[in-house]
Amino acid sequence: QKEVEQNSGPLSVPEGAIASLNCTYSDRVSQSFFWYRQYSGKSPELIMSIYSNGDKEDGRFTAQLNKASQYVSLLIRDSQPSDSATYLCAVNIYNQGGKLIFGQGTELSVKP
Amino acid sequence: KAGVTQTPRYLIKTRGQQVTLSCSPISGHRSVSWYQQTPGQGLQFLFEYFSETQRNKGNFPGRFSGRQFSNSRSEMNVSTLELGDSALYLCASRQGSNEKLFFGSGTQLSVL
Repeated sequence: QKEVEQNSGPLSVPEGAIASLNCTYSDRVSQSFFWYRQYSGKSPELIMSIYSNGDKEDGRFTAQLNKASQYVSLLIRDSQPSDSATYLCAVNIYNQGGKLIFGQGTELSVKP
Repeated sequence: KAGVTQTPRYLIKTRGQQVTLSCSPISGHRSVSWYQQTPGQGLQFLFEYFSETQRNKGNFPGRFSGRQFSNSRSEMNVSTLELGDSALYLCASRQGSNEKLFFGSGTQLSVL
């Protein structure tokens, strides 16, 4: 079993819809969770971080964490074509410093 | 504040050669991590340096090495290049114990 799993997609949503991206992780001592956005040919850009159970909202983005289910998700409201990118889920294991375990990424396509 | 700077942006090498990549972290960031990104394996952790000391290492062969200087700049070296080393090499920096990583634009290495 991979340590961090994501649906590879592509996930296609119409403009203005809610995009839902999911991620599961296997290590129970994971403590920090991140969502990165990566446009084609570019480097990953941090868009959300979440550390405790529940929801965290930042503009059109909401990250949700459920440690009991080992599940983290990212919701993008009012999706725009400019949100079309690959979204990477990353997990930091306790006491591992800057080592992040990344999922394979979910490709999101927002159709005008 | 300037972001993470990586040089060169592109490199073409042949099998058996060695290569050195350079990374300058965000000002004030003392931790530098290196990641390899390939279409098949995704983003994989290589190693992390903090205050000139390697703090953590991923599952890569000894051909991959790195170092960090007193000004926090870091270099990564790959010796005896193999075709499979063709990848995007990303450097990331973080501040203190905060696990949020900020990535540079990467060095695209092609091994022929």
